[in-house]
Amino acid sequence: DTAVSQTPKYLVTQMGNDKSIKCEQNLGHDTMYWYKQDSKKFLKIMFSYNNKELIINETVPNRFSPKSPDKAHLNLHINSLELGDSAVYFCASSHTISGANVLTFGAGSRLTVL
Amino acid sequence: GNSVTQMEGPVTLSEEAFLTINCTYTATGYPSLFWYVQYPGEGLQLLLKATKADDKGSNKGFEATYRKETTSFHLEKGSVQVSDSAVYFCALYSSGSARQLTFGSGTQLTVLP
Repeated sequence: DTAVSQTPKYLVTQMGNDKSIKCEQNLGHDTMYWYKQDSKKFLKIMFSYNNKELIINETVPNRFSPKSPDKAHLNLHINSLELGDSAVYFCASSHTISGANVLTFGAGSRLTVL
Repeated sequence: GNSVTQMEGPVTLSEEAFLTINCTYTATGYPSLFWYVQYPGEGLQLLLKATKADDKGSNKGFEATYRKETTSFHLEKGSVQVSDSAVYFCALYSSGSARQLTFGSGTQLTVLP
């Protein structure tokens, strides 16, 4: 009964490939996020969806495309992978009414681009 | 805009030592302040929070006090354990931040037995 689950946990792929990371939360939260953590542990928000609507879209390459089929899922698709995309990607969720500021994170998906 | 500045790591301490990780912030309005912890190989977890000036957040022996006059939210623990080894992130949320947390750069803590 994991609260925020991401798959896959590890992903190793070649430059130029397309890959997806999936995220699901069973907390009943209405807002979901994608964060990127680099090798120095710096966290950068990429996207946020509230009730399937995109509300935060930070400056990321348009090779990154989020998709939220429903408020419990937020997937991240990456086209034409580059070496610099290697990072750990974290999904998170929160509940707007009770506190958009308290996030529950998934365990992360480590992407390595060769 | 909002920003959070944390002391740079890594920080290495012996077991039972006193811990302080400094955090200062810049924000518009009246932000809520947080400490998140990331254990090796895991996602971030909320450690503690404070929502207004002079509030003290506490959890698992960690404490932090919201100091509006110094715009600080320093994390302290009186006696660290090996199991406290992790990366600690200070963060803020204010109404002007478009429903997102602003994180500091993280501080790696290693506690040696």
